[in-house]
Amino acid sequence: NAGVIQTPRHKVTGKGQEATLWCEPISGHSAVFWYRQTIVQGLEFLTYFRNQAPIDDSGMPKERFSAQMPNQSHSTLKIQSTQPQDSAVYLCASSLDSEENERLFFGHGTKLSVL
Amino acid sequence: GDSVTQTEGLVTLTEGLPVMLNCTYQTIYSNPFLFWYVQHLNESPRLLLKSFTDNKRTEHQGFHATLHKSSSSFHLQKSSAQLSDSALYYCALSDRASGTYQRFGTGTKLQVVP
Repeated sequence: NAGVIQTPRHKVTGKGQEATLWCEPISGHSAVFWYRQTIVQGLEFLTYFRNQAPIDDSGMPKERFSAQMPNQSHSTLKIQSTQPQDSAVYLCASSLDSEENERLFFGHGTKLSVL
Repeated sequence: GDSVTQTEGLVTLTEGLPVMLNCTYQTIYSNPFLFWYVQHLNESPRLLLKSFTDNKRTEHQGFHATLHKSSSSFHLQKSSAQLSDSALYYCALSDRASGTYQRFGTGTKLQVVP
């Protein structure tokens, strides 16, 4: 079991460019979460999928952020027209979606730097 | 909405002294799950312990926490800090009744010094 895989590990974009971040959850996990991590905000919830369906995207900045889960083996987070304030570590996590087994397994994250 | 509050951004302790990191929460309903995750430098967060039972102590790797619904608290404690405990600690909340899953506080950085 390779754990949650996130690619790329680092991404540098220019202001106004698009960034796509990839996540492969642990096989068999039905819940996938995206978080943005900064020193000031900590782990900020962005969005959550269950069995590939979007359940809660209340944390997503609506204008430029979007997330998809086209199949059970990967999810993407896309940021259009990136801004310097988008610079952060973006963490993906997966979980068995049951009350008894609820715990998150995190990937190593993608460090996004917007110049 | 549901939320988690961690009031200390940084806690610095001398090795051997007790640890207590504060976590309080707010939920619409009264059956939350509370979690503590730990993140060491250059690693990703991992679960340290969790609880949903009121007034029951949960322990793991020398740390313990008790969920107190009366005060909406889930403080993390350890009797004697070690240098290796230096890390970022996050408290998190799930409340399925309200549709809230794995919401995190802002985190507390624990720095243990010799």
